[in-house]
Amino acid sequence: RKEVEQDPGPFNVPEGATVAFNCTYSNSASQSFFWYRQDCRKEPKLLMSVYSSGNEDGRFTAQLNRASQYISLLIRDSKLSDSATYLCVVLWAGTALIFGKGTTLSVSS
Amino acid sequence: DVKVTQSSRYLVKRTGEKVFLECVQDMDHENMFWYRQDPGLGLRLIYFSYDVKMKEKGDIPEGYSVSREKKERFSLILESASTNQTSMYLCASSLWGRPRTSGRTYEQYFGPGTRLTVT
Repeated sequence: RKEVEQDPGPFNVPEGATVAFNCTYSNSASQSFFWYRQDCRKEPKLLMSVYSSGNEDGRFTAQLNRASQYISLLIRDSKLSDSATYLCVVLWAGTALIFGKGTTLSVSS
Repeated sequence: DVKVTQSSRYLVKRTGEKVFLECVQDMDHENMFWYRQDPGLGLRLIYFSYDVKMKEKGDIPEGYSVSREKKERFSLILESASTNQTSMYLCASSLWGRPRTSGRTYEQYFGPGTRLTVT
């Protein structure tokens, strides 16, 4: 069975904090991994892809551990505008994306 | 910019009605998808299509059918709407099948969603 599991949160952090989200996936054959962001009452949008070597985009760092089937997203220096739901996504069978249920982040001033 | 549009933002239908949800993308994407999103259940794939007239079942196809007669248009059909089909329906498209020159080939672009209420 293909599954993507995330801690639903919510994560409530102050501005400037560092926060990390984790995600596990069940299908060891999965080859591509992503983090999407979904704002309240909006559609999901790609935040970043996750590469085997790990990758960084500004304040965001994504890591992949294939052996443990584990993906993470680190957000440094949190901003109010980072408040959203973060979806862990795995490409299944080279065709469909499987979405986790999402982790909710709330950044407060 | 990629644009994915859906025919309605809000829709109210009665039980037993036939419902059509339309999705159009303007970037010549090969793949299109229909999801529903429910609180606590996340995004669940209903159907997807990787080419005109081609379709594949997703995780929850029961009670739904799809049509893709043109590359840019992917329709979701509820043959006989039921109250358990009340949900947010999201359409998406992606490039897949093209060389992965940018690393973003698998990126899915979503439409704004249709909130369907079946009474």
